[in-house]
Amino acid sequence: GDSVTQMEGPVTLSEEAFLTINCTYTATGYPSLFWYVQYPGEGLQLLLKATKADDKGSNKGFEATYRKETTSFHLEKGSVQVSDSAVYFCALRREGNNRLAFGKGNQVVVIP
Amino acid sequence: NAGVMQNPRHLVRRRGQEARLRCSPMKGHSHVYWYRQLPEEGLKFMVYLQKENIIDESGMPKERFSAEFPKEGPSILRIQQVVRGDSAAYFCASSNFTGQNQPQHFGDGTRLSIL
Repeated sequence: GDSVTQMEGPVTLSEEAFLTINCTYTATGYPSLFWYVQYPGEGLQLLLKATKADDKGSNKGFEATYRKETTSFHLEKGSVQVSDSAVYFCALRREGNNRLAFGKGNQVVVIP
Repeated sequence: NAGVMQNPRHLVRRRGQEARLRCSPMKGHSHVYWYRQLPEEGLKFMVYLQKENIIDESGMPKERFSAEFPKEGPSILRIQQVVRGDSAAYFCASSNFTGQNQPQHFGDGTRLSIL
């Protein structure tokens, strides 16, 4: 079945540091890929998406590139801010299917 | 606020009681999805509904759980005879069309606690 794997454990880094969160997936066909962000006590907000191989999604300084050959969709940001502290979820949506399959999420804590 | 509205935000029930969670989709959206988030886990799909129809309930437990999305009013996720393991955050999402590329917009969730 469809699955999304995110790197283990929380991520703690200093303000202005470079952020990478790894995401790999298993799915048949050509799924659409998403990153969602969840701030404390809130629901998920769509951060960015990519719908086909080699597409790059970007928003608010975050980027992720759909890599079909490595089945990956790693999230990056060049210079994080304290306000980026949140939980980040990678997700996929397979062709012909309406459900989202999520990874377990990564807590990101940015220290001033 | 034109976003997805869920209520209540927090719900406390004793074992054996019933829990009713409500979701009003974004204006103009006719597709509703329910997900469950267990502590320190990602969201798991439960059910997908359109107005008056259940399209995909493959993620719903076979017993005690039911969902509806009537012609008028919000979508309801109903859990009968709750047990401790039902404690979780339940999120509703909506979209205006079906399809792989249509984004799902999420509500702030209902946090269900079972005593």
